[in-house]
Amino acid sequence: TQLLEQSPQFLSIQEGENLTVYCNSSSVFSSLQWYRQEPGEGPVLLVTVVTGGEVKKLKRLTFQFGDARKDSSLHITAAQPGDTGLYLCAGDGGTYKYIFGTGTRLKVLA
Amino acid sequence: SQTIHQWPATLVQPVGSPLSLECTVEGTSNPNLYWYRQAAGRGLQLLFYSVGIGQISSEVPQNLSASRPQDRQFILSSKKLLLSDSGFYLCAWTPGQTLYEQYFGPGTRLTVT
Repeated sequence: TQLLEQSPQFLSIQEGENLTVYCNSSSVFSSLQWYRQEPGEGPVLLVTVVTGGEVKKLKRLTFQFGDARKDSSLHITAAQPGDTGLYLCAGDGGTYKYIFGTGTRLKVLA
Repeated sequence: SQTIHQWPATLVQPVGSPLSLECTVEGTSNPNLYWYRQAAGRGLQLLFYSVGIGQISSEVPQNLSASRPQDRQFILSSKKLLLSDSGFYLCAWTPGQTLYEQYFGPGTRLTVT
């Protein structure tokens, strides 16, 4: 069974701090996505990584796919209150299916 | 551009009552469609997915069912709701030929009382 474990589960930081969220599995994924979800809304796709070792940047967010394609990280530089939300990673589970991570709830305090 | 709609937005139903949640996608054809359920503040549990009209794959055995009567319409149903069916239900679509991009609807908050 493919599982994606995210850590930490909860994170509360002050505005301006840096943080890293991890998404780990014992399985290999051909692609991995990161989403952010606001309360009461659907997740919104942030990025997709498909190549081992790939690094993508989205403004203050940096995403990395592990060399072995079993893990990924999301690093936020100088966090802002607008970054608050639930961050979810998801990997292809084969045959049109996605496996979602356990989620990291981030709160950035002004 | 593509848009995805879900309704109703919120629903309060008694135990034992039927359920019908609807999802429609605009601006694309032959999408893959998905139903997920999310517990508060947690990850998503895949319930059903469909790669074409009338084609439904079930991931979790339970008292829910899904149907796809039209290319861009996906329906989640139950004949008798349980308390454990409460949750946030999300519909999503992907372009048929790729697993890279998944787009979600606004969700339906279901409370079974």
